[in-house]
Amino acid sequence: AQTVTQSQPEMSVQEAETVTLSCTYDTSESDYYLFWYKQPPSRQMILVIRQEAYKQQNATENRFSVNFQKAAKSFSLKISDSQLGDAAMYFCAYRYTGNQFYFGTGTSLTVIP
Amino acid sequence: NAGVMQNPRHLVRRRGQEARLRCSPMKGHSHVYWYRQLPEEGLKFMVYLQKENIIDESGMPKERFSAEFPKEGPSILRIQQVVRGDSAAYFCASSPLAGRLGETQYFGPGTRLLVL
Repeated sequence: AQTVTQSQPEMSVQEAETVTLSCTYDTSESDYYLFWYKQPPSRQMILVIRQEAYKQQNATENRFSVNFQKAAKSFSLKISDSQLGDAAMYFCAYRYTGNQFYFGTGTSLTVIP
Repeated sequence: NAGVMQNPRHLVRRRGQEARLRCSPMKGHSHVYWYRQLPEEGLKFMVYLQKENIIDESGMPKERFSAEFPKEGPSILRIQQVVRGDSAAYFCASSPLAGRLGETQYFGPGTRLLVL
């Protein structure tokens, strides 16, 4: 079974500081993608970053980067220089076929001014 | 290029009524996915459709739920005889290609269904 686990229901970070959100997943597949989505209060799902499993280099998008540990099946998201607009629910997602994403239960991030 | 459109954004139904949720994919996208998000949970896959075909409905409840994506017009998720447990946010996503793992799905703003 494909499962995605986010063990931190809530996190908080001081504005301008760095925060890391954790995600682990379970799979027997070798070829897959991992994603982080952001869901602000508007509830719109916004892609933050994605990682190909066969790439060893960690993906980076401006202030967002991942720490991908394939052997440990870990895919954490680091947000640097946190901004008030980063406050949202963050969902880790996994995809190994073209049909669907498997989402974790989310981490609610609060940014403290 | 307009994003994925969903309507209505909010829908209130009484138990036993029917709910019809609409999704217009992004221009050029022919693959549509429906997800349901229960309170305090992540999104759960329901169904994947291409034009006039249901490709994967493994996440769809066996009764009362149906989906279609006609040749013309939006994709429709239909819930018959709604119950309180159907209250959730229903998200539609679209993509231009299927089977490409790295291809992200573009999500609509969701429809919040409340069953009284």
